[in-house]
Amino acid sequence: EPEVTQTPSHQVTQMGQEVILRCVPISNHLYFYWYRQILGQKVEFLVSFYNNEISEKSEIFDDQFSVERPDGSNFTLKIRSTKLEDSAMYFCASSDSETKNIQYFGAGTRLSVL
Amino acid sequence: RKEVEQDPGPFNVPEGATVAFNCTYSNSASQSFFWYRQDCRKEPKLLMSVYSSGNEDGRFTAQLNRASQYISLLIRDSKLSDSATYLCVVNGAANFNKFYFGSGTKLNVKP
Repeated sequence: EPEVTQTPSHQVTQMGQEVILRCVPISNHLYFYWYRQILGQKVEFLVSFYNNEISEKSEIFDDQFSVERPDGSNFTLKIRSTKLEDSAMYFCASSDSETKNIQYFGAGTRLSVL
Repeated sequence: RKEVEQDPGPFNVPEGATVAFNCTYSNSASQSFFWYRQDCRKEPKLLMSVYSSGNEDGRFTAQLNRASQYISLLIRDSKLSDSATYLCVVNGAANFNKFYFGSGTKLNVKP
């Protein structure tokens, strides 16, 4: 069964460092998403991406965040200068059509900012 | 007001019980509704989409009430493996590609 894969599973970084979280969406999917979940809290939408551009973003997704689809398979989330409060689980998701909106999630990357 | 609200629970039920969760959403123009389940420290997994006419998948039944802006999930004949957090997900009205998650309702099914 096709799945969304995310790497690494756990990323530890120092405050102020840049991190790149990687995702390989399901191959025929066209819509891509990043979410975060701070421990014990709800899943929060960060950004959606379609046709090589951001289609929606939340207020969380400020200038320190960026997304990219550098090739035909990867979808990345970059955090330029990490803060302690960026520590969370980051989930990537993909879906195959806007009308269905059914998203499939990767297993997540746990980001720990020290 | 939060975009999506759920009773956090926990709902503690015996095996075989029927249990129902509700979720309310704030924007009447939302178009897509889902129930996901999330096991501890795992990713959300789609349980079912929720359609206007209601839909059923085995022991699970979902209903949408647009007038009152809530969706429901009914689980019949609960199994131990149903223990999880159930997440209500709604898309934004004008932002069909933006999704709001509820905080989840925790279900514990006991033997």
